[in-house]
Amino acid sequence: AQKVTQAQTEISVVEKEDVTLDCVYETRDTTYYLFWYKQPPSGELVFLIRRNSFDEQNEISGRYSWNFQKSTSSFNFTITASQVVDSAVYFCALSDGSNYQLIWGAGTKLIIKP
Amino acid sequence: GAGVSQSPSNKVTEKGKDVELRCDPISGHTALYWYRQSLGQGLEFLIYFQGNSAPDKSGLPSDRFSAERTGGSVSTLTIQRTQQEDSAVYLCASSRGLAGFYEQYFGPGTRLTVT
Repeated sequence: AQKVTQAQTEISVVEKEDVTLDCVYETRDTTYYLFWYKQPPSGELVFLIRRNSFDEQNEISGRYSWNFQKSTSSFNFTITASQVVDSAVYFCALSDGSNYQLIWGAGTKLIIKP
Repeated sequence: GAGVSQSPSNKVTEKGKDVELRCDPISGHTALYWYRQSLGQGLEFLIYFQGNSAPDKSGLPSDRFSAERTGGSVSTLTIQRTQQEDSAVYLCASSRGLAGFYEQYFGPGTRLTVT
């Protein structure tokens, strides 16, 4: 069975600190896709990244970076020099690529204090 | 606008009444999804449309819930005889194809309150 665990329910940091959101997944598929979505207070989820299981290169996009490690079944998300606008709930999700459903994690609420 | 739109943004209804929630997906997106999100909770999958067909309705919580999509575009989620436990934010998303592969674009949601 597929499963996504985001063990951190809520994280609170002071602005400019670096913060890492953990995502651990379970799957028996050899081909799968991992996603991160952001849900700001406005409520509208926004796609951040998709990574397939064959690409283990870390990705960096501005202050955002993602560390994909198949050995530990983790796809962690780091925000460098956090800003108040980063405050949101972040969801990690998993799929086998051929399904219409994603397996969603419970989400991590990130609070950035000024 | 080019994004997914949902209406109404807020709906307060009395227990036992029927409600209709509307979703306008991004033009050209063949896949459309409905989710439910209770306060402070994750996403609960309700139903998925590919074109006008709904291959899987198993996520609908009860037979009081139904959905349709017409013209491969607009979708309506209908809740009959609303109950207080139906109170939640209902999110719609569209994508170019299967959500397991393509990114989803979400609407702002409809906040439903059943009194």
